[in-house]
Amino acid sequence: NAGVTQTPKFQVLKTGQSMTLQCAQDMNHEYMSWYRQDPGMGLRLIHYSVGAGITDQGEVPNGYNVSRSTTEDFPLRLLSAAPSQTSVYFCASSYTSGGSGADTQYFGPGTRLTVL
Amino acid sequence: AQSVAQPEDQVNVAEGNPLTVKCTYSVSGNPYLFWYVQYPNRGLQFLLKYITGDNLVKGSYGFEAEFNKSQTSFHLKKPSALVSDSALYFCAVRVRNNDMRFGAGTRLTVKP
Repeated sequence: NAGVTQTPKFQVLKTGQSMTLQCAQDMNHEYMSWYRQDPGMGLRLIHYSVGAGITDQGEVPNGYNVSRSTTEDFPLRLLSAAPSQTSVYFCASSYTSGGSGADTQYFGPGTRLTVL
Repeated sequence: AQSVAQPEDQVNVAEGNPLTVKCTYSVSGNPYLFWYVQYPNRGLQFLLKYITGDNLVKGSYGFEAEFNKSQTSFHLKKPSALVSDSALYFCAVRVRNNDMRFGAGTRLTVKP
């Protein structure tokens, strides 16, 4: 199994540009999530999904959109990039514990995004 | 606010000595608590979790953590540190069914 894969590994954008970060998992996990990691702040949840067609906002959702059309894929879209979105982005997936919520998460390798 | 706190940015220990990385939590109800480790330029890897049951949880690579409800803590421990344990460690708590909150991280350095 490939686990959780993310593309691209690195990306440089100009302010105002849009782009999509790709995430895929082959473990048939219901739960998928996106985090951003900034120095001294740990990981902050952007959006998550508990299944195809179901998404919800996390702690820092502004400026980002998500959709979940299949179990495997969970892309993150930046609508109009801003320098404040410079960060490392991690996608993760998880089985849900007896249907009661997210459990152990498996993380992708990350995308390092710089917005100029 | 429901969250976790890691009070130490940095922990330094000598190889062979015991190590402790601290975590405290603030959450209503029964907490679901996790520890993850991050090596340079990598994603996070799961170490261990507490959901219910024994307060002492054993995990990967010889790590363990003790859940203490009265002190709202979930400290990560290892009896004998290795240089290869040097990494960034994150504590996390599930605050609702699907909302996970991570601490700011503690950088562990194990010196030979």
